[in-house]
Amino acid sequence: DAGVTQSPTHLIKTRGQHVTLRCSPISGHKSVSWYQQVLGQGPQFIFQYYEKEERGRGNFPDRFSARQFPNYSSELNVNALLLGDSALYLCASSLDQQTYEQYFGPGTRLTVT
Amino acid sequence: GDSVTQMEGPVTLSEEAFLTINCTYTATGYPSLFWYVQYPGEGLQLLLKATKADDKGSNKGFEATYRKETTSFHLEKGSVQVSDSAVYFCALSKSGGYQKVTFGTGTKLQVIP
Repeated sequence: DAGVTQSPTHLIKTRGQHVTLRCSPISGHKSVSWYQQVLGQGPQFIFQYYEKEERGRGNFPDRFSARQFPNYSSELNVNALLLGDSALYLCASSLDQQTYEQYFGPGTRLTVT
Repeated sequence: GDSVTQMEGPVTLSEEAFLTINCTYTATGYPSLFWYVQYPGEGLQLLLKATKADDKGSNKGFEATYRKETTSFHLEKGSVQVSDSAVYFCALSKSGGYQKVTFGTGTKLQVIP
């Protein structure tokens, strides 16, 4: 079975622009979570989506939004990009909302110039 | 709020040396504890987990024991290999509500031949 996939792999944007990152969970997994990993730090929780609804949100501004589609894939959107948004964005999937074990994708490296 | 503290890196060891990476946590309730590994240029991989006090998680020669009395989950390996060079993250997750993994800042391990 394929693991969690994310696209694109790398992305360069300019301050003020908008970006959309995509994630496909492992087949059969219904929960998707997004994390931001700044260089040299541990990942920080942004969102969890389950059954197409937002179930949890971390301490991130409203410029960050996400959605989950009927096939359980997900998009993370970031508006009005700031230099500080430069990071590795990780997507993780799990079977359901309560399963502890999450499987991470390879990430999208976003650079904001 | 919940937090995870792990030892500063980098840790440099010779091949076949004994490895310990310290991890302590602060959390209400009864979290599950994890070690994740991130190889250069890759996403996070779950290395091992423990879901209740006194549980021992183990995988690929690594092991860690959930110590509730000392709120610790130290990672150990008896004999490291060059291929173990990576960044190791200690993390916790709790049941109820939504799914969120709280990570430590990571410890970089370099194993030299």
